[in-house]
Amino acid sequence: DAGVIQSPRHEVTEMGQEVTLRCKPISGHDYLFWYRQTMMRGLELLIYFNNNVPIDDSGMPEDRFSAKMPNASFSTLKIQPSEPRDSAVYFCASSLAGSSPLHFGNGTRLTVT
Amino acid sequence: GESVGLHLPTLSVQEGDNSIINCAYSNSASDYFIWYKQESGKGPQFIIDIRSNMDKRQGQRVTVLLNKTVKHLSLQIAATQPGDSAVYFCAENRGAQKLVFGQGTRLTINP
Repeated sequence: DAGVIQSPRHEVTEMGQEVTLRCKPISGHDYLFWYRQTMMRGLELLIYFNNNVPIDDSGMPEDRFSAKMPNASFSTLKIQPSEPRDSAVYFCASSLAGSSPLHFGNGTRLTVT
Repeated sequence: GESVGLHLPTLSVQEGDNSIINCAYSNSASDYFIWYKQESGKGPQFIIDIRSNMDKRQGQRVTVLLNKTVKHLSLQIAATQPGDSAVYFCAENRGAQKLVFGQGTRLTINP
């Protein structure tokens, strides 16, 4: 099992540019989560999907952030336009079912200058 | 916010000793708890979980204790090894798959 795969591992972009983060969950997992990690706020849940349907996006900071899951094996988190305060490590995670452990990818470190 | 990450609590132990990492959770309705280990440059890695109908669960070298009365969770690591050095997070499931993470504790194993 390859685990949750995220790309890119690092992204450096200028303020105002569009950023797209990608995630491939573990095959067979029904839930997919996007988290953001910063020193100040720790790990924050942004949004999660069940069977490709967004269930709770209350953690998405603002309209500049959007997430999609077009099929069971792929999800994207997009930031448009990006701002320096978006700099963080973004993690994707998947789980087999509700109330089961989340399996995290190794994250995308985003730097917005 | 629900987690404050500016200053991580730290714990240093000698290799071979036992370590105990503590966590207080806030929601008495939380029914599922997980401990994660995060090494530098990696995502959180599942260690062990416990449901609210239990007060203790053991794994390989790790034990999780749950005290619902005082909303306290602990992770015990036996016979620590250098590879145990990492940041450890507790997480509580507040229902509807909303896993909320604590601030983390940095564990350092001294040789």
